[in-house]
Amino acid sequence: EVQLLESGGGLVQPGGSLRLSCAASGFMFSNYAMNWVRQAPGKGLEWVSVVSGSGGETVYADSVKGRFTVSRDNSENMVYLQMNSLRAEDTAVYFCAKARQGLTSPAASWGQGTLVTVSS
Amino acid sequence: DIQMTQSPSSVSASVGDRVTIACRASQGISSWLAWFQQKPGKAPKLLIYAASNLQPGVPSRFSGSGSGTDFTLTISSLQPEDFATYYCQQADSFPLTFGQGTKVEIK
Repeated sequence: EVQLLESGGGLVQPGGSLRLSCAASGFMFSNYAMNWVRQAPGKGLEWVSVVSGSGGETVYADSVKGRFTVSRDNSENMVYLQMNSLRAEDTAVYFCAKARQGLTSPAASWGQGTLVTVSS
Repeated sequence: DIQMTQSPSSVSASVGDRVTIACRASQGISSWLAWFQQKPGKAPKLLIYAASNLQPGVPSRFSGSGSGTDFTLTISSLQPEDFATYYCQQADSFPLTFGQGTKVEIK
């Protein structure tokens, strides 16, 4: 059974940094791209970033490009989202999600999410 | 960026009703379209990929159709557990984009 468990969310001041982690199990981790998708309170879904199975390819939404960095450790079955220069509009639940197949494929499995609140 | 527009934004329906949700892409995306279901406080769940392929484990009352710019999600006979918000997402090109969601409510 695929399991994804996010951690690292919390309250951070504007301009601050936070690192989200996602622990994966139940599948051949290095074979799948991994996404981060966020959802602001009461709002819809917004795709944030994806990292390829090897970690060699990353893509970002324009809204986070230059501020967020996605990475993975295939030896530990972990994926990370380093978030810098945080803004109030980054406040959201952040979901880690396993791609169904390739880099652009939809997310077939999701974690429960971790809440990030950016506020002074 | 490809814009995804869903209609309606909300629909009130009864158990047993047939429900149809539309999704339109701002440019052609072939069949690179997915549908998700999300219940309050929960993660989204993939229902349909590549426009019409049912994700394993998803009940057959869910079906998807369309290609190019116009797509449809149909629930043939609405069940109590189907009351939720539904999102379409294009998987043609980056950035991946979602529709704004359609809330299916109890009539």
